[in-house]
This record gives sequence, structure tokens and C-alpha cells, in this order.
Amino acid sequence: QKEVEQNSGPLSVPEGAIASLNCTYSDRGSQSFFWYRQYSGKSPELIMSIYSNGDKEDGRFTAQLNKASQYVSLLIRDSQPSDSATYLCYGGTSYGKLTFGQGTILTVHP
Amino acid sequence: DVKVTQSSRYLVKRTGEKVFLECVQDMDHENMFWYRQDPGLGLRLIYFSYDVKMKEKGDIPEGYSVSREKKERFSLILESASTNQTSMYLCASSAGTLGNTIYFGEGSWLTVV
Repeated sequence: QKEVEQNSGPLSVPEGAIASLNCTYSDRGSQSFFWYRQYSGKSPELIMSIYSNGDKEDGRFTAQLNKASQYVSLLIRDSQPSDSATYLCYGGTSYGKLTFGQGTILTVHP
Repeated sequence: DVKVTQSSRYLVKRTGEKVFLECVQDMDHENMFWYRQDPGLGLRLIYFSYDVKMKEKGDIPEGYSVSREKKERFSLILESASTNQTSMYLCASSAGTLGNTIYFGEGSWLTVV
């Protein structure tokens, strides 16, 4: 079993819709979670980090963490074509496990 | 802003050559990483380092070695390049304890012919 798994893609949503990206993790020692966005041919860039249970909002992005159920999600409201990218979930621990999910390709179509 | 610089963006090397990929970060970060990324396989950790002269194997260390003689510099070495090492290589760094935010360089595209 992979340590971090992302919901299978690719995901396609219409412009203006909510895009929901999900990630489950197996290591209960994971303490910090990050969502990265990667455009084709570019390196990943950080969108959001979340450390505590609950929701964290930043503009159109909301990260949700549920440690009991071991999942973390990213919601993108009012999706725009510029949001089309691969989204990577990352779970980190303090003892060296550093695992990225395989990525979900999101396409926002006009 | 954190700056992670990979000096070689695009390289073409021949099978059997020794290849050096250099990475420098300017934020005094303790941790540095080398990943490779291939279509459909996501980001895979090759090696990481949490201190000068310290290194730990990641998920796919075979065929690679690393060097960290100075805190700001982390080098990836392909001792004898093979065609299956054609990939994009990403260097990254993070501060403090492992598990903190990782910052990536722009990537190095290596083609082995």
C-alpha cells in the first residue's frame, strides 16, 4: 500500500465549479500536509499547508484535514482554466518519511 | 523568497558517462532532497540530506550517489548514466525538522542517449 494515495484522475470540471481533490495517508505519524500545484514542464509550487484537524482557507482554496480518518482534501472554488495543473499531496513526518502522492491532473474547461 | 537553483536545466549525456547535477539553496536550510519525476510515476525520492556530510537513501537510490560538503550545496551523481535515468530531476530544500515545507528548484531535464 502506498503511503499517500490521491483520488484517481484525471479530474475535469467546468469553469466556475468546485474542484475536489482528495488524499489518504497510511502513516499515523504524519504531522504535516501540503498541497502543491505543478504546471506542465514546471516544478511544484506550494499552495497550502495544514497541520491541524479542520479547515484552512486561503482565497479560493480550502484544505481540510481529518486525522482520525486519515485524509486530507483540497477544494478549489470558482475554478478557473488557470487552475488546470497536476496537484500533489505531500505528507511529512519528523522522522524521515517524506511521501508524495502520485498526483491528480485537474482540467478546468471553459 | 527561498531560492533553490539547479545550475543545469537541460543536459544530454551518453550512456556510461558520469553526470553531476548541482543544486544550491540560499536560505540556510538544513534539509535537501533529490527527486526524479517520470510520467505516471509521480515524484520519487532518490536521496536526502539533513545535515552537511549526512545522507539518507530514499526510495530509488540505485545508480545514484550524492554529496553534501557545504550546507547550501547538494549534488546528485550518476556514476554511469543509463538510458533509464532519462528523467526530470528536482532538487528541493526545507528548514528545521523533516516534515516542513519543501521548496523546489526549477528542475533539470536529463536525456541519456
